[in-house]
Amino acid sequence: GQNIDQPTEMTATEGAIVQINCTYQTSGFNGLFWYQQHAGEAPTFLSYNVLDGLEEKGRFSSFLSRSKGYSYLLLKELQMKDSASYLCAVRAAAGNKLTFGGGTRVLVKP
Amino acid sequence: GAGVSQSPRYKVAKRGQDVALRCDPISGHVSLFWYQQALGQGPEFLTYFQNEAQLDKSGLPSDRFFAERPEGSVSTLKIQRTQQEDSAVYLCASSLEPAGGTETQYFGPGTRLLVL
Repeated sequence: GQNIDQPTEMTATEGAIVQINCTYQTSGFNGLFWYQQHAGEAPTFLSYNVLDGLEEKGRFSSFLSRSKGYSYLLLKELQMKDSASYLCAVRAAAGNKLTFGGGTRVLVKP
Repeated sequence: GAGVSQSPRYKVAKRGQDVALRCDPISGHVSLFWYQQALGQGPEFLTYFQNEAQLDKSGLPSDRFFAERPEGSVSTLKIQRTQQEDSAVYLCASSLEPAGGTETQYFGPGTRLLVL
């Protein structure tokens, strides 16, 4: 089976940094994805990790430790428009479907 | 060209009514997925197509749910005899490569279904 856990909600101040953790227990592993989803909109791709380590892309970075079943998404220099839900998703080794966590709703305050 | 599109964006159905939800994937994308997203939850996998072949339908919750992609492009998700628990957002996603690749899935805006 698949189990993916992430915090339900986080609050941070504009200009600050927020780290969203994701832990997973899956029967196989072929990559971990982070998506951003604004209310009522489609999830949009942020990052992809398949090897251990840090992937940096502008203000967003994502880290993966396969041995620990752990990933985090780091959002730097927070902007009001970053208020959204952030979805952690794992792709199992067999097949291409994604298994999602429940999402972390991030609220950025002025 | 354009991204993944879905129609209708909103659908209100009476309990027991049949509904059909349409997905137009990105042109040339081989893989197509359907997900169901309940309010405040992450998307849950329903079914997967590689071209016109439905390779995985393990996530379909009951035999009232049926999906097809007859020409390997547009897909339709049909729900028969809708129930209130079917109320959710139905997301479609497509990716360029078939299963096993490293391709990202690109999502459409979803169809919000409300069953009264």
